[in-house]
Amino acid sequence: VQLVQSGFEVNKPGASVKLSCKASGYTFTNFAIHWVRLAPGQRLEWMGCVNGGDDNTKYSQNFQGRVTMTRDTSASIAYMELSRLRSEDTAMYYCARGGSGSSYYYYFDYWGQGTLVTVSS
Amino acid sequence: DIQMTQSPSSLSASVGDRVTITCRASQGIRSDLGWYQQKPGKAPERLIYAASSLQSGVPSRFSGSGSGTEFTLTINCLQPADFATYYCQQYNSYPPTFGQGTKVEIK
Repeated sequence: VQLVQSGFEVNKPGASVKLSCKASGYTFTNFAIHWVRLAPGQRLEWMGCVNGGDDNTKYSQNFQGRVTMTRDTSASIAYMELSRLRSEDTAMYYCARGGSGSSYYYYFDYWGQGTLVTVSS
Repeated sequence: DIQMTQSPSSLSASVGDRVTITCRASQGIRSDLGWYQQKPGKAPERLIYAASSLQSGVPSRFSGSGSGTEFTLTINCLQPADFATYYCQQYNSYPPTFGQGTKVEIK
């Protein structure tokens, strides 16, 4: 199993950023992809997830209205778009696969390498 | 949201030491707890799930215990590769939440 994320991003406040996460080594539609971020001096923070199979999404209340998660099953890629960026969104963003079965849906068994997003004017 | 509190936030230890990290949940989460290891510049990696089940490929010097609200991660005979930050995470209740991390440094 591998999750390979897109590269470093620099964006201005108010802009949007769209990150990608390409999955391989497993059946993409059988698992959800979650997005977790780590901002400087903060703890890991779950942002939301998209199901691989049916495109259902769940978003953390902290990002509701600013985040959109989608996936392309033909290419086994998940996307996370964050809008109205502010300086506090400067962080490392990770995609992670949810575990197998409903009990482990929110347990993250494989992680991407991370994408650094810097928000600066 | 369930709050996860780890202690200590950091510790210094020597190669060969036994290290114990505690994680407390603000409410009961049964055994729905995972532990992750993160090295600088790398993504977190899974170590333990269901509070005490070792992921395949993880050295047996790592062990986890606990249920309900109190959990521990123990590293026996600390190795140079183990100097990292460790996070606990509950997946019992939506949304999933993480502890603040425990940085294990070389003494």
